[in-house]
Amino acid sequence: DAEITQSPRHKITETGRQVTLACHQTWNHNNMFWYRQDLGHGLRLIHYSYGVQDTNKGEVSDGYSVSRSNTEDLPLTLESAASSQTSVYFCASSESGASYTDTQYFGPGTRLTVL
Amino acid sequence: DAKTTQPNSMESNEEEPVHLPCNHSTISGTDYIHWYRQLPSQGPEYVIHGLTSNVNNRMASLAIAEDRKSSTLILHRATLRDAAVYYCILISYGQNFVFGPGTRLSVLP
Repeated sequence: DAEITQSPRHKITETGRQVTLACHQTWNHNNMFWYRQDLGHGLRLIHYSYGVQDTNKGEVSDGYSVSRSNTEDLPLTLESAASSQTSVYFCASSESGASYTDTQYFGPGTRLTVL
Repeated sequence: DAKTTQPNSMESNEEEPVHLPCNHSTISGTDYIHWYRQLPSQGPEYVIHGLTSNVNNRMASLAIAEDRKSSTLILHRATLRDAAVYYCILISYGQNFVFGPGTRLSVLP
């Protein structure tokens, strides 16, 4: 069965370190998204990609970067981790085209703690 | 900008129907109404979506008001597994999903 996976599931790091969160999907979807969710809040969009070599900034992109070198993966990098980036991170994918009718499929999440 | 308004929390008894409301008084003609839910410690999952007409699928029904300024997600028989946060989202062409705080549904045995 096709799926979307995230790794690691839990990560503890220190302020100032570079951290990369992996997202891998086997749906062969063109669209991939990264969200963060803070306690008691909804999800906020960080970055998204509509295909290989395409990346776009979302609502809360400062301090984060992504690159899309193949269809299956969209790694999220925190260039210099800050305590304000402690959060749960969700990756999602959708087929292509009209995002307003597409279903987004979400991964299980990565809980990141920055000390 | 909050495009939708949902109650913070609701309770239901197991095996009874649940009606989850969503107000979207500023909806535009091209906005689709999507519902997702998030079970504890999981990523959100798709429930249903619609534009103007009521929609049914195996998980739920979506009732859309005639003026489209509100909608209701209907779970026909709530189970304990339906306890989750339910998000009502408006989205149009060229936009991305904006998740609000949603409605936390508790299901009592």
